[in-house]
Amino acid sequence: DADVTQTPRNRITKTGKRIMLECSQTKGHDRMYWYRQDPGLGLRLIYYSFDVKDINKGEISDGYSVSRQAQAKFSLSLESAIPNQTALYFCAAGPTTDTQYFGPGTRLTVL
Amino acid sequence: QKEVEQNSGPLSVPEGAIASLNCTYSDRGSQSFFWYRQYSGKSPELIMFIYSNGDKEDGRFTAQVDKSSKYISLFIRDSQPSDSATYLCAGGISSGSARQLTFGSGTQLTVLP
Repeated sequence: DADVTQTPRNRITKTGKRIMLECSQTKGHDRMYWYRQDPGLGLRLIYYSFDVKDINKGEISDGYSVSRQAQAKFSLSLESAIPNQTALYFCAAGPTTDTQYFGPGTRLTVL
Repeated sequence: QKEVEQNSGPLSVPEGAIASLNCTYSDRGSQSFFWYRQYSGKSPELIMFIYSNGDKEDGRFTAQVDKSSKYISLFIRDSQPSDSATYLCAGGISSGSARQLTFGSGTQLTVLP
């Protein structure tokens, strides 16, 4: 277990606001990921990072940005939130792509 | 076309029966396959992975990959009510030098006591 934590666990915000979701892991894994989950659509990859200097776009990166502040920390920002970004957001970490441990999730609502 | 397609169900089976969950994947470089379980309100957890054509067994769970038909299956023997969850299949997709997991939409399984 990579002991992945996410803050906040729940967030309600308004359209146009900038918000940041934070993720931390305690096991020193190089790889970290941000996904969003919508009903009927499964998990979709937003961004991933293989080390502090390596950031990659995933399937649905538009409207999002990330920062890998340290090996243990990977933050997701919504520069100007819109209602269709309402979703459940998961951070994951692991030593390889094949082994990912998920955080508890952040439920984001954009009004 | 989505990389990994999953019959979203829902699926109900009686306790003690075999639950059968399936996915198909596109031709684009899938080399490894995964099954995650997600209880309601919880995060996904990896329960099985399989790298090659054939079967892999772990306790009551058997994963199968048929590369000729691009079919991924998970069988749960002696299903228990505690197996009730959403099951997500995933494929390891190569994109340049990086590899990502692409997930299906999930199948909700209910095991009836």
